[in-house]
Amino acid sequence: DAKTTQPNSMESNEEEPVHLPCNHSTISGTDYIHWYRQLPSQGPEYVIHGLTSNVNNRMASLAIAEDRKSSTLILHRATLRDAAVYYCILRGLNTGTASKLTFGTGTRLQVTL
Amino acid sequence: NAGVTQTPKFRILKIGQSMTLQCTQDMNHNYMYWYRQDPGMGLKLIYYSVGAGITDKGEVPNGYNVSRSTTEDFPLRLELAAPSQTSVYFCACRDTTGNTIYFGEGSWLTVV
Repeated sequence: DAKTTQPNSMESNEEEPVHLPCNHSTISGTDYIHWYRQLPSQGPEYVIHGLTSNVNNRMASLAIAEDRKSSTLILHRATLRDAAVYYCILRGLNTGTASKLTFGTGTRLQVTL
Repeated sequence: NAGVTQTPKFRILKIGQSMTLQCTQDMNHNYMYWYRQDPGMGLKLIYYSVGAGITDKGEVPNGYNVSRSTTEDFPLRLELAAPSQTSVYFCACRDTTGNTIYFGEGSWLTVV
């Protein structure tokens, strides 16, 4: 399985934009890039996913490099409720690989006033 | 809509005891998963199922068993509990064609 690399932790001030990077240099052409986040004492929740083009939804934006070897999750205005561990995960298209999500240790985002 | 429901939420087991973590989903999703998460770590896949009657091992299956007799239920059985199984357990599900995995709230298990 292709691996992802994320910084262990990041800090942000409230109301400021946050850019969470993820490197995935061994990504294959059919791997989707998924982001999940885990709030304290809760299960992970889906944030966003993409394949090649940048994506936007109500929670965040996903910017994917042209060579797809890296991506960035963008929170446009961080709030205290965004403090969580953010996981960048690759998921392949074929049924066997798609049955499994491999979680790394993620990036712990701290948001301060 | 309850989504993914796990019971119990908290449990303390003695070494050598057995128990079953229950997981049920009301979204009619085919794929179901069990993960464990140790303190400060990411989630590791224990077992998964692509549909009723079909299960397969994940990354860390030793010491666990699962069954999938219905689409809704995916119980995780711990036989002969060991301190190394102290962890938080998450059940999850996904539709065959969907991109989103839905997680339960977790079950905190301590083996003493």
